[in-house]
This record gives sequence, structure tokens and C-alpha cells, in this order.
Amino acid sequence: EPEVTQTPSHQVTQMGQEVILRCVPISNHLYFYWYRQILGQKVEFLVSFYNNEISEKSEIFDDQFSVERPDGSNFTLKIRSTKLEDSAMYFCASSWPGLAPDEQYFGPGTRLTVT
Amino acid sequence: EDKVVQSPLSLVVHEGDTVTLNCSYEVTNFRSLLWYKQEKKAPTFLFMLTSSGIEKKSGRLSSILDKKELSSILNITATQTGDSAIYLCAVLNYGGSQGNLIFGKGTKLSVKP
Repeated sequence: EPEVTQTPSHQVTQMGQEVILRCVPISNHLYFYWYRQILGQKVEFLVSFYNNEISEKSEIFDDQFSVERPDGSNFTLKIRSTKLEDSAMYFCASSWPGLAPDEQYFGPGTRLTVT
Repeated sequence: EDKVVQSPLSLVVHEGDTVTLNCSYEVTNFRSLLWYKQEKKAPTFLFMLTSSGIEKKSGRLSSILDKKELSSILNITATQTGDSAIYLCAVLNYGGSQGNLIFGKGTKLSVKP
């Protein structure tokens, strides 16, 4: 069964460093998303992406964040200068703009630890 | 402010019991409600509900949406230890493009043998 994959599974970085989290969405999906979950808290929306453009972004997604689809398969989230409060599990999700565009399928997540 | 509230926050039952998990929402641009199961990491898709009163079923799990009451329930019958997980309710907030999911805090279900 097709699935969303994410790498790395765990990333440890120092405050102020740049990180890139990578995702490979399900191959025929065209809508892509990033969410995050701080330990013990709700899953929160960060950004949605379609046709090489950001569709929507939340207040969390400030100028330190960017997303890119560098090729036909990868979808990346970059945090330019990490802060302690960026420590969280980051989930990538994708959906298909067909019969069920709302069904978002999630990857296993990348646990980001900022020290 | 848009919000999704789940209850109870945690639940401990024994194998064979039936459980009902609740989700209520206040979302400006509601389009659909989704249920996910989160075991170790990734939320795994269970159901998507868009129409009121139509039950969706998958094995021992079923769910229904009540748009008048702005709520949904997830039922699990004959629970098994493998049902132990956090069950997440999310509402798709559709602002005119793709929409985004607003999640509740989840219900942690523990099924004892």
C-alpha cells in the first residue's frame, strides 16, 4: 500500500542552525501539508502546498519556515534558524484532489530536538 | 476561534467492551470531519465524514456525524488490546483552497486483557 515517507526519523540540532526535513508524498497525490505536534499537545497545521505554491499557512509558519518541492517526488520543510520551541514531531501529509481530497495521509514524522 | 474538543481525554476498558469516543467542533468553514488512530507516530486515517446521519463502518469501528449538534462519535465494539491508541478527531477547515485540519487533543484508549 502506498505511504508517505519522511527522513530523518530523528534530528538533533543546535539552536540557530538550519534544518531541512524531507518527505516523499504518495506518488499520485498533489496536495501536500506539514503539521507539527509539540510533545503532549495537539497536532497543529503549518502549511499547505499545491502546484508549487503555498495555499495556506498558519501563524506558526513565519519567515523562519519555508517549503519546497525540489523535484517530482520530494517535499521539504526548512527551518532557517531553529529555536528551542521548534522542538516537536513534524508530520508531512498528502492528499489527492480527486474523489476524496480531504483524506490526508500522514507520514511517520520527524522528531526534531533543538538543544 | 476554531476548535475541536474530544472527550473523554482518556479511557481504560477491558477486552470485549464497547467504547464511544466523542468529538465536538466549532469551525467557521467546516467541510468534513476525520478520525485518525495514532499508535506510535503517524496518525493513521480511519474515516472521513461529510454528511450528517450516515454511518461509516470498518470492521468493529463505526462513526457518524451530527451536523446539527456539531459533533461526531466513534464507536469501537468488542475492543481488543490492539485498539489501544490515541484516537484523534480533526475537522477540515476549508478556506477556499486546500483547507487544513484542526485537531482535537485526542482520546487515549487503553484496552486491558
